[in-house]
Amino acid sequence: NAGVTQTPKFRVLKTGQSMTLLCAQDMNHEYMYWYRQDPGMGLRLIHYSVGEGTTAKGEVPDGYNVSRLKKQNFLLGLESAAPSQTSVYFCASIRDAGNTIYFGEGSWLTVV
Amino acid sequence: DAKTTQPPSMDCAEGRAANLPCNHSTISGNEYVYWYRQIHSQGPQYIIHGLKNNETNEMASLIITEDRKSSTLILPHATLRDTAVYYCIVRRSSNYKLTFGKGTLLTVNP
Repeated sequence: NAGVTQTPKFRVLKTGQSMTLLCAQDMNHEYMYWYRQDPGMGLRLIHYSVGEGTTAKGEVPDGYNVSRLKKQNFLLGLESAAPSQTSVYFCASIRDAGNTIYFGEGSWLTVV
Repeated sequence: DAKTTQPPSMDCAEGRAANLPCNHSTISGNEYVYWYRQIHSQGPQYIIHGLKNNETNEMASLIITEDRKSSTLILPHATLRDTAVYYCIVRRSSNYKLTFGKGTLLTVNP
């Protein structure tokens, strides 16, 4: 049981490049979330999913796309990276209401 | 969204109890209150969660008021390693959103 795993942990992108962050959980959790955290700020919800094949917008969805083709994986995509997307990205998952929320260790993304 | 309000910062002396308040006046009857903490930019660490009754585990106690509009996280004997940002979170039952407030920076002083 590895919990929530984020890949990659560190990445440097050039402006305009694209990339995908992978969040994988092996706990059969229904709900998954992507956040970004800028220096000195709290976590802000980008997108989330309430089950396989579903996605929904969070507080700051612009510039990001997501997909949940398999229940265990939640992908966060940046189609054309911008310096404003330099941040630490966290993924979280939960089985259902009242269960513990599990977080990944974070992915550090720098866009130059 | 079920908004939570916390003081931006608190201080506590090492060895004393730290009591961190959270207001969640718009919480619905079936929504849980979660407490997590974050040290530097590490992933948030689970502390405790509850629905109506007070809860206790090896890390902390959670006191939820009878009307469920507020709660208090209690760290019984704070240590320097408890210095962190503490987040009180409510997961919405209507749309399953899980949003964070600004949290409370707890500084434990020697």
